[in-house]
Amino acid sequence: NAGVTQTPKFQVLKTGQSMTLQCAQDMNHEYMSWYRQDPGMGLRLIHYSVGAGITDQGEVPNGYNVSRSTTEDFPLRLLSAAPSQTSVYFCASSSRGVQPQHFGDGTRLSIL
Amino acid sequence: KQEVTQIPAALSVPEGENLVLNCSFTDSAIYNLQWFRQDPGKGLTSLLLIQSSQREQTSGRLNASLDKSSGRSTLYIAASQPGDSATYLCAVRLSGTASKLTFGTGTRLQVTL
Repeated sequence: NAGVTQTPKFQVLKTGQSMTLQCAQDMNHEYMSWYRQDPGMGLRLIHYSVGAGITDQGEVPNGYNVSRSTTEDFPLRLLSAAPSQTSVYFCASSSRGVQPQHFGDGTRLSIL
Repeated sequence: KQEVTQIPAALSVPEGENLVLNCSFTDSAIYNLQWFRQDPGKGLTSLLLIQSSQREQTSGRLNASLDKSSGRSTLYIAASQPGDSATYLCAVRLSGTASKLTFGTGTRLQVTL
C-alpha cells in the first residue's frame, strides 16, 4: 500500500522562487492537510481540505496556496519562497469521522 | 486556542523499564486524541487513537489513557526496548474541526541497553 506519498523528499530553493510540493493518497480519504514542522514548535497546520473543491486555512497559511481538484491530490504551492519557510512539510489524510490521520514521509525544504 | 503540552521533553531509560509519557491540553472539547511516533528524518506513524468517549486504548505494549475533564492523556509503554527510541507526539482534534489537529512538541525517548 502506498498510503500518502510526498514529492520531492528534499528541495533547496532561492528566496523568491516558487514551487509546488506534491501530495497524493490512494486510500480514497476525504480529508487532507498540510503541516509544517519546525524545531521547538511542533507541527502547525497550514491548509486543509474536507473534499474535492473545498479548502480552508489553518494556523499558518500566509505564503502558501492549495487546491483540491481530485480526491487523491492536494498540492501545496509556495508563491515566493522566503527563508522563514525553511521547514519540514508533512501531508496527512484521513477518512471522514473517527479515523486516524495518516502522514507522508515529509518534504525537507531549505530556502537560501 | 487549544494548546498541547508534553512533558518531559526528553527521557532516557534502561531497557526493560516501564514508562509513562504525558500530554495535557487546555480545551477539553476534543473529538479525539492521537498518539504518534516519529523516527529521526521520518514521517509520523499513528500508534493509538482515543475517541472522546473512551478512557483508554491498547495496542501490544502500548496503552493510552484519556481524562478529558482534566485535559490529560498518558502513553504507557511496557517493558521498553531500544527499538522504542523515537519522538512521541500527541495531537488533539477539537470537536467540529474536521481534520485539524493541534500537536504537542513531543517527548524524545531513548531506551538504552
